[in-house]
Amino acid sequence: EVQLVESGGGLVQPGGSLRLSCSASGFTFNNYIMHWVRQAPGKGLEYVSAITSNGGSTYYADSVKGRFTISRDNSKNTLYLQMSSLRAEDTAVYYCVRVSSSWYDYWGQGTLVTVSS
Amino acid sequence: SVLTQPPSVSGAPGQRVTISCTGSSSNIGAGYDVHWYQQLPGTAPKLLIYGNSNRPSGVPDRFSGSKSGTSASLAITGLQAEDEADYYCQSYDSRLSVRVFGGGTKLTVL
Repeated sequence: EVQLVESGGGLVQPGGSLRLSCSASGFTFNNYIMHWVRQAPGKGLEYVSAITSNGGSTYYADSVKGRFTISRDNSKNTLYLQMSSLRAEDTAVYYCVRVSSSWYDYWGQGTLVTVSS
Repeated sequence: SVLTQPPSVSGAPGQRVTISCTGSSSNIGAGYDVHWYQQLPGTAPKLLIYGNSNRPSGVPDRFSGSKSGTSASLAITGLQAEDEADYYCQSYDSRLSVRVFGGGTKLTVL
């Protein structure tokens, strides 16, 4: 059974940093592109960042470029999102998602990040 | 949102409802596939339809998808109370070079 379990969310002050983790199991992690997708409270879904299966290439939404860094450790089956210079508008549930071709076939349960003083 | 969905739709149990997803020449109209996700209250989104009209294993055939021109649609027949959820369409936009979502549609079963 495919499982994606996020952790690391919490309350952080504006300008602060946080690192999210996503532990993957039930599939061959290093065969898949992985993304982070977020959802602000009461709002829709927004693509955040992507990483290729070997970690060699990374991509970001304009809204987080230069502030967020996606990475992965295939030996630990874990995906990361390092977030810095956090803003109130980054407040959201962050989902780790597995990519199959052009769609998201599995989602984690999400971890809530709240940016507030 | 780059893809436009109606904010809400409703229907009585047993009825049929459709949810539209309107894009442009840089996404749906460019030939990129449309995918649909169901988000039950308080839970993570779940893949409902992929590649415009394909259902993953376990998704009832009451759910169907279609695409034409710059738009796509999700149809739900034989509405059930447990279908009450938010529904999102998703595609790829070549101008923005990112995956894009619709704003979501809240389905209410009357």
